[in-house]
Amino acid sequence: AQSVAQPEDQVNVAEGNPLTVKCTYSVSGNPYLFWYVQYPNRGLQFLLKYITGDNLVKGSYGFEAEFNKSQTSFHLKKPSALVSDSALYFCALLNKFYFGSGTKLNVKP
Amino acid sequence: EPEVTQTPSHQVTQMGQEVILRCVPISNHLYFYWYRQILGQKVEFLVSFYNNEISEKSEIFDDQFSVERPDGSNFTLKIRSTKLEDSAMYFCASTEVSTDTQYFGPGTRLTVL
Repeated sequence: AQSVAQPEDQVNVAEGNPLTVKCTYSVSGNPYLFWYVQYPNRGLQFLLKYITGDNLVKGSYGFEAEFNKSQTSFHLKKPSALVSDSALYFCALLNKFYFGSGTKLNVKP
Repeated sequence: EPEVTQTPSHQVTQMGQEVILRCVPISNHLYFYWYRQILGQKVEFLVSFYNNEISEKSEIFDDQFSVERPDGSNFTLKIRSTKLEDSAMYFCASTEVSTDTQYFGPGTRLTVL
């Protein structure tokens, strides 16, 4: 079965600390993995993607993600969180049109 | 920077009524999509559209739904007879090639009373 899982409904982190938002996937064939961010009452904004190439991908607003084929993971990371990063984050397997359930990131000052 | 636009931002309708949600994809994009997000839940794929025909659709996209590209710029989603459970945020997305980034519009919030 093909799917995307975000095991944490919510992640809390203090401003300035590193953050990780987890994503695992299951797919037959090569995955096209994306991260999107959604602010309240807004659409989905693209952050970064992995289709092929380097396993470490860098995206918007200082975010990065590492594609790990052996662990079937694509965790989103940022070295130093900002309060303005607080939002809902979605991992997506777009070649199969699957989105994860979303992780709410709370960054406290 | 080009962006996907959607109208209206909020649509309120009575159960059983027809609604048309409108999207203007990014101008050089060829692939178009509709997704929905019921409040507090995950984003769900409805349909993809390319070369004036549906290329893929989900189980959600039943006979009450239809899509159309009536002219060179608009992409519409029609729900023929709305049900209470159709209340959701509907997102349009577009991409230049099928394997590339999908860019999403701001969404239309549909409320069925």
